[in-house]
Amino acid sequence: SAVISQKPSRDICQRGTSLTIQCQVDSQVTMMFWYRQQPGQSLTLIATANQGSEATYESGFVIDKFPISRPNLTFSTLTVSNMSPEDSSIYLCSVTRDGGEPQHFGDGTRLSIL
Amino acid sequence: QKEVEQDPGPLSVPEGAIVSLNCTYSNSAFQYFMWYRQYSRKGPELLMYTYSSGNKEDGRFTAQVDKSSKYISLFIRDSQPSDSATYLCAMRDYGQNFVFGPGTRLSVLP
Repeated sequence: SAVISQKPSRDICQRGTSLTIQCQVDSQVTMMFWYRQQPGQSLTLIATANQGSEATYESGFVIDKFPISRPNLTFSTLTVSNMSPEDSSIYLCSVTRDGGEPQHFGDGTRLSIL
Repeated sequence: QKEVEQDPGPLSVPEGAIVSLNCTYSNSAFQYFMWYRQYSRKGPELLMYTYSSGNKEDGRFTAQVDKSSKYISLFIRDSQPSDSATYLCAMRDYGQNFVFGPGTRLSVLP
């Protein structure tokens, strides 16, 4: 399975600032996803990062707040913009290839907003 | 009705017990079924991945799928304290539509 590296692993940020989270995969993958996970809760899909086109956002998430880049088949970034305490969460990157493969996850970025 | 429902837990068992974790789903389009294990401060780790109805075994873990009843289970034999984690079921259709269950927190007590 793919090895997925997320940076940073954790951060504490000030209200109103922005943070960019990086997701690097050790091999080419078709699909990359960004999730949010509140402590003790399940996964909420933010968006699907598409290579060469705009990301596809789920209901309740907008590009101005969570801009996503996917410049190639092994890398994606998620920016959390104009952060507020409600954005404190774990942000996870996951990947999958074609052919019915499952998703594989990075270890996440733990984000706290003061 | 939610697309995927999972036994809420938390679940505490003594070491050596057989653990049964269960999910039900409503969408008959789901064809692929997964179980993930998530330790604290880690991302979900794929444990089992299956397509067809029936059982799939991997060491102490057995995944069971019953498509006719829209029901999947994960059995853990001879449970160990290291199995203490949150277990998430997940499923997908022939496309890229993945849905995750809310998770069941398991504690195996030595």
